[in-house]
Amino acid sequence: DAGVTQSPTHLIKTRGQHVTLRCSPISGHKSVSWYQQVLGQGPQFIFQYYEKEERGRGNFPDRFSARQFPNYSSELNVNALLLGDSALYLCASSLDRGPTEAFFGQGTRLTVV
Amino acid sequence: KQEVTQIPAALSVPEGENLVLNCSFTDSAIYNLQWFRQDPGKGLTSLLLIQSSQREQTSGRLNASLDKSSGRSTLYIAASQPGDSATYLCAVYNQGGKLIFGQGTELSVKP
Repeated sequence: DAGVTQSPTHLIKTRGQHVTLRCSPISGHKSVSWYQQVLGQGPQFIFQYYEKEERGRGNFPDRFSARQFPNYSSELNVNALLLGDSALYLCASSLDRGPTEAFFGQGTRLTVV
Repeated sequence: KQEVTQIPAALSVPEGENLVLNCSFTDSAIYNLQWFRQDPGKGLTSLLLIQSSQREQTSGRLNASLDKSSGRSTLYIAASQPGDSATYLCAVYNQGGKLIFGQGTELSVKP
């Protein structure tokens, strides 16, 4: 079975631009969460989606948004990129929205210049 | 507000040594706790998941314990190998499934 897949693996953007990151969960998993990991720190929670609805949001500005599609894949969008948005963005999928085991993708490395 | 702390931030040991990584959390009302491994620039690989009703989990050379009352978990690695070199992250789950991570322990095992 395929694990959690994220695309792209790396990308470079300029300040002020917009970026879209994509995630496909494990087959049968209905919950997708997004995390941001800056260098040297642990991942920080951004969003959780379950059954196409937002179920949780971390302490991130409104420039960050996400959505989940009927096939349970998800997109994370970041507008008006800042240098501080440079990070590894991780997607995790789990069977449902409760404290069930999370499985992570390989991440998308975003560099803002 | 739940906070997770991992000590030490970095650890260097010779090959073959047994070692313990520590994780502490401020709110004992956790649901599950999970240990992850992260290689440089890569995603997270799950090592062990301890459910809130459990005291420990074992997988191969790894053993993780959980003491909710004291707000602590430990990851024991037996007979360390250079291939164990990585960052180890501890995370606790809240009721909604959100993970709160520590900052990680960077482990280096020298041949």
